[in-house]
Amino acid sequence: DTEVTQTPKHLVMGMTNKKSLKCEQHMGHRAMYWYKQKAKKPPELMFVYSYEKLSINESVPSRFSPECPNSSLLNLHLHALQPEDSALYLCASSQVRLQDTQYFGPGTRLTVL
Amino acid sequence: AQTVTQSQPEMSVQEAETVTLSCTYDTSESDYYLFWYKQPPSRQMILVIRQEAYKQQNATENRFSVNFQKAAKSFSLKISDSQLGDAAMYFCAYRQGGSEKLVFGKGTKLTVNP
Repeated sequence: DTEVTQTPKHLVMGMTNKKSLKCEQHMGHRAMYWYKQKAKKPPELMFVYSYEKLSINESVPSRFSPECPNSSLLNLHLHALQPEDSALYLCASSQVRLQDTQYFGPGTRLTVL
Repeated sequence: AQTVTQSQPEMSVQEAETVTLSCTYDTSESDYYLFWYKQPPSRQMILVIRQEAYKQQNATENRFSVNFQKAAKSFSLKISDSQLGDAAMYFCAYRQGGSEKLVFGKGTKLTVNP
Protein backbone atom coordinates (compact mmCIF):
# COMPACT_ATOMS: atom_id res chain seq x y z
CA ASP A 1 0.00 0.00 0.00
CA THR A 2 1.60 3.27 -1.13
CA GLU A 3 -1.16 5.58 -0.04
CA VAL A 4 -0.76 9.05 1.37
CA THR A 5 -4.02 10.80 2.19
CA GLN A 6 -4.62 14.54 2.50
CA THR A 7 -7.57 16.49 3.82
CA PRO A 8 -9.32 18.62 2.85
CA LYS A 9 -9.24 18.33 -0.94
CA HIS A 10 -10.18 21.96 -1.36
CA LEU A 11 -9.93 24.89 1.04
CA VAL A 12 -11.00 28.50 0.64
CA MET A 13 -9.95 30.90 3.36
CA GLY A 14 -9.75 34.59 4.06
CA MET A 15 -6.54 36.34 4.93
CA THR A 16 -7.50 36.54 8.60
CA ASN A 17 -8.52 32.91 8.98
CA LYS A 18 -6.63 30.10 10.67
CA LYS A 19 -6.87 26.69 9.06
CA SER A 20 -4.93 23.45 8.96
CA LEU A 21 -4.02 20.93 6.29
CA LYS A 22 -3.67 17.30 7.28
CA CYS A 23 -1.59 14.49 5.81
CA GLU A 24 -1.57 10.86 6.88
CA GLN A 25 0.33 7.74 5.86
CA HIS A 26 0.37 4.21 7.23
CA MET A 27 3.33 2.83 5.33
CA GLY A 28 5.70 3.05 8.27
CA HIS A 29 7.58 5.90 6.63
CA ARG A 30 9.54 8.10 9.03
CA ALA A 31 10.18 11.02 6.67
CA MET A 32 7.39 13.37 5.62
CA TYR A 33 7.39 16.41 3.37
CA TRP A 34 5.32 19.46 2.49
CA TYR A 35 5.51 20.91 -1.03
CA LYS A 36 3.85 23.92 -2.60
CA GLN A 37 2.93 23.75 -6.28
CA LYS A 38 1.74 26.68 -8.37
CA ALA A 39 -0.10 26.07 -11.62
CA LYS A 40 2.04 24.62 -14.42
CA LYS A 41 5.12 24.61 -12.19
CA PRO A 42 7.01 21.81 -10.44
CA PRO A 43 6.56 21.28 -6.70
CA GLU A 44 8.70 23.39 -4.38
CA LEU A 45 9.90 21.87 -1.14
CA MET A 46 8.73 23.66 2.02
CA PHE A 47 9.48 21.40 4.99
CA VAL A 48 10.94 17.98 5.77
CA TYR A 49 10.36 15.98 8.94
CA SER A 50 12.57 13.05 9.80
CA TYR A 51 11.66 10.89 12.80
CA GLU A 52 9.08 13.52 13.77
CA LYS A 53 11.71 16.26 13.94
CA LEU A 54 11.93 19.17 11.55
CA SER A 55 15.05 18.65 9.44
CA ILE A 56 14.56 21.13 6.59
CA ASN A 57 12.75 24.46 6.46
CA GLU A 58 13.22 26.05 3.06
CA SER A 59 12.95 29.61 4.41
CA VAL A 60 9.18 29.40 4.46
CA PRO A 61 7.31 32.41 5.94
CA SER A 62 6.16 31.96 9.52
CA ARG A 63 2.51 32.14 8.46
CA PHE A 64 3.04 28.48 7.55
CA SER A 65 3.61 26.34 10.65
CA PRO A 66 4.26 22.60 10.28
CA GLU A 67 3.63 20.02 12.94
CA CYS A 68 4.35 16.31 13.11
CA PRO A 69 2.40 14.89 16.09
CA ASN A 70 3.39 11.28 15.38
CA SER A 71 5.06 9.15 12.77
CA SER A 72 1.90 8.82 10.66
CA LEU A 73 0.57 12.35 10.73
CA LEU A 74 1.75 15.69 9.35
CA ASN A 75 -0.10 18.97 9.69
CA LEU A 76 0.39 22.37 8.12
CA HIS A 77 -1.14 25.22 10.11
CA LEU A 78 -2.05 28.31 8.15
CA HIS A 79 -2.53 31.81 9.52
CA ALA A 80 -2.73 35.26 7.94
CA LEU A 81 -2.05 33.97 4.47
CA GLN A 82 -1.76 36.13 1.37
CA PRO A 83 -3.53 35.62 -1.97
CA GLU A 84 -0.19 34.60 -3.51
CA ASP A 85 -0.17 31.61 -1.18
CA SER A 86 -2.99 30.11 -3.22
CA ALA A 87 -1.60 26.87 -4.62
CA LEU A 88 -1.75 23.09 -4.50
CA TYR A 89 -0.14 21.80 -1.31
CA LEU A 90 1.30 18.33 -1.63
CA CYS A 91 2.38 16.01 1.13
CA ALA A 92 4.83 13.16 0.57
CA SER A 93 6.44 10.45 2.65
CA SER A 94 9.37 8.08 2.34
CA GLN A 95 11.59 5.81 4.32
CA VAL A 96 14.37 7.72 6.01
CA ARG A 97 16.97 5.81 4.01
CA LEU A 98 17.87 8.65 1.72
CA GLN A 99 17.79 6.63 -1.45
CA ASP A 100 14.15 5.85 -1.00
CA THR A 101 11.32 7.07 -3.17
CA GLN A 102 8.94 9.78 -2.06
CA TYR A 103 5.25 8.92 -2.39
CA PHE A 104 2.85 11.81 -2.80
CA GLY A 105 -0.67 12.45 -1.62
CA PRO A 106 -3.39 13.91 -3.86
CA GLY A 107 -2.90 17.43 -2.54
CA THR A 108 -5.05 20.19 -1.09
CA ARG A 109 -6.10 22.98 -3.41
CA LEU A 110 -5.89 26.17 -1.34
CA THR A 111 -7.46 29.46 -2.35
CA VAL A 112 -6.81 32.57 -0.27
CA LEU A 113 -9.26 35.39 -0.80
CA ALA B 1 23.60 23.26 -7.22
CA GLN B 2 22.05 20.44 -9.14
CA THR B 3 19.67 21.32 -11.95
CA VAL B 4 17.24 19.28 -14.01
CA THR B 5 16.24 20.38 -17.49
CA GLN B 6 13.26 19.19 -19.48
CA SER B 7 13.56 20.85 -22.85
CA GLN B 8 10.12 19.86 -24.18
CA PRO B 9 7.33 21.88 -22.54
CA GLU B 10 4.73 19.93 -24.50
CA MET B 11 4.62 16.69 -26.47
CA SER B 12 1.88 14.80 -28.23
CA VAL B 13 1.54 11.19 -29.36
CA GLN B 14 -1.02 9.08 -31.10
CA GLU B 15 -2.65 6.34 -29.10
CA ALA B 16 -0.68 3.06 -29.38
CA GLU B 17 2.43 4.87 -30.60
CA THR B 18 5.73 5.42 -28.77
CA VAL B 19 6.96 8.70 -27.36
CA THR B 20 10.20 9.73 -25.66
CA LEU B 21 10.45 12.54 -23.12
CA SER B 22 13.83 14.14 -22.58
CA CYS B 23 15.58 15.03 -19.35
CA THR B 24 19.11 16.18 -18.65
CA TYR B 25 20.65 16.98 -15.31
CA ASP B 26 23.75 18.64 -14.02
CA THR B 27 25.67 17.24 -11.08
CA SER B 28 29.22 16.57 -10.00
CA GLU B 29 28.12 13.82 -7.62
CA SER B 30 28.44 10.11 -8.31
CA ASP B 31 25.79 8.91 -5.86
CA TYR B 32 22.32 9.97 -6.93
CA TYR B 33 18.88 8.77 -7.95
CA LEU B 34 16.64 9.78 -10.82
CA PHE B 35 12.88 9.62 -11.04
CA TRP B 36 10.05 10.21 -13.43
CA TYR B 37 6.77 11.29 -11.87
CA LYS B 38 3.45 11.64 -13.64
CA GLN B 39 0.84 14.20 -12.59
CA PRO B 40 -2.51 13.82 -14.34
CA PRO B 41 -5.24 16.46 -14.09
CA SER B 42 -6.39 14.71 -10.93
CA ARG B 43 -3.25 16.31 -9.41
CA GLN B 44 -1.66 13.36 -7.64
CA MET B 45 2.04 12.89 -8.33
CA ILE B 46 2.55 9.25 -9.24
CA LEU B 47 5.93 7.57 -9.42
CA VAL B 48 6.49 6.14 -12.89
CA ILE B 49 10.02 4.84 -12.67
CA ARG B 50 13.28 5.31 -10.79
CA GLN B 51 16.93 4.73 -11.62
CA GLU B 52 19.92 4.40 -9.33
CA ALA B 53 23.00 6.06 -10.79
CA TYR B 54 25.23 3.14 -9.85
CA LYS B 55 23.16 0.73 -11.93
CA GLN B 56 24.15 0.46 -15.56
CA GLN B 57 20.99 -1.38 -16.55
CA ASN B 58 18.13 0.85 -17.64
CA ALA B 59 15.02 0.62 -15.48
CA THR B 60 11.76 -0.63 -16.98
CA GLU B 61 8.20 -0.77 -15.67
CA ASN B 62 5.79 -2.39 -18.09
CA ARG B 63 5.32 0.10 -20.96
CA PHE B 64 7.70 2.62 -19.41
CA SER B 65 11.46 2.46 -19.80
CA VAL B 66 14.35 4.84 -19.44
CA ASN B 67 17.48 5.49 -21.43
CA PHE B 68 20.03 6.42 -18.77
CA GLN B 69 23.21 7.86 -20.24
CA LYS B 70 25.36 8.65 -17.21
CA ALA B 71 28.27 10.24 -19.04
CA ALA B 72 25.93 12.49 -20.99
CA LYS B 73 23.80 13.14 -17.87
CA SER B 74 20.70 12.22 -19.76
CA PHE B 75 17.65 10.36 -18.47
CA SER B 76 14.90 10.05 -21.06
CA LEU B 77 11.57 8.28 -20.60
CA LYS B 78 10.10 6.10 -23.30
CA ILE B 79 6.41 5.29 -23.23
CA SER B 80 5.41 2.43 -25.52
CA ASP B 81 1.89 1.65 -26.73
CA SER B 82 0.64 5.01 -25.42
CA GLN B 83 -2.78 5.02 -23.83
CA LEU B 84 -5.24 7.84 -23.23
CA GLY B 85 -4.60 7.48 -19.52
CA ASP B 86 -0.95 8.39 -20.05
CA ALA B 87 -1.94 12.00 -20.71
CA ALA B 88 -0.40 14.04 -17.90
CA MET B 89 2.40 16.35 -16.87
CA TYR B 90 5.62 14.38 -16.52
CA PHE B 91 8.33 15.59 -14.16
CA CYS B 92 11.89 14.39 -14.13
CA ALA B 93 13.50 14.57 -10.68
CA TYR B 94 16.95 14.16 -9.18
CA ARG B 95 17.91 13.23 -5.64
CA GLN B 96 21.49 13.32 -4.46
CA GLY B 97 22.59 10.48 -2.23
CA GLY B 98 22.56 11.75 1.35
CA SER B 99 20.08 14.53 0.62
CA GLU B 100 16.39 14.67 1.46
CA LYS B 101 15.67 17.05 -1.41
CA LEU B 102 14.12 16.24 -4.76
CA VAL B 103 15.10 18.61 -7.56
CA PHE B 104 12.42 18.73 -10.24
CA GLY B 105 12.53 19.74 -13.86
CA LYS B 106 9.88 22.11 -15.17
CA GLY B 107 7.81 19.30 -16.61
CA THR B 108 6.57 18.11 -19.99
CA LYS B 109 2.87 18.08 -20.75
CA LEU B 110 2.00 14.94 -22.71
CA THR B 111 -1.15 14.79 -24.81
CA VAL B 112 -2.36 11.46 -26.17
CA ASN B 113 -4.52 11.72 -29.28
CA PRO B 114 -7.11 9.01 -30.01
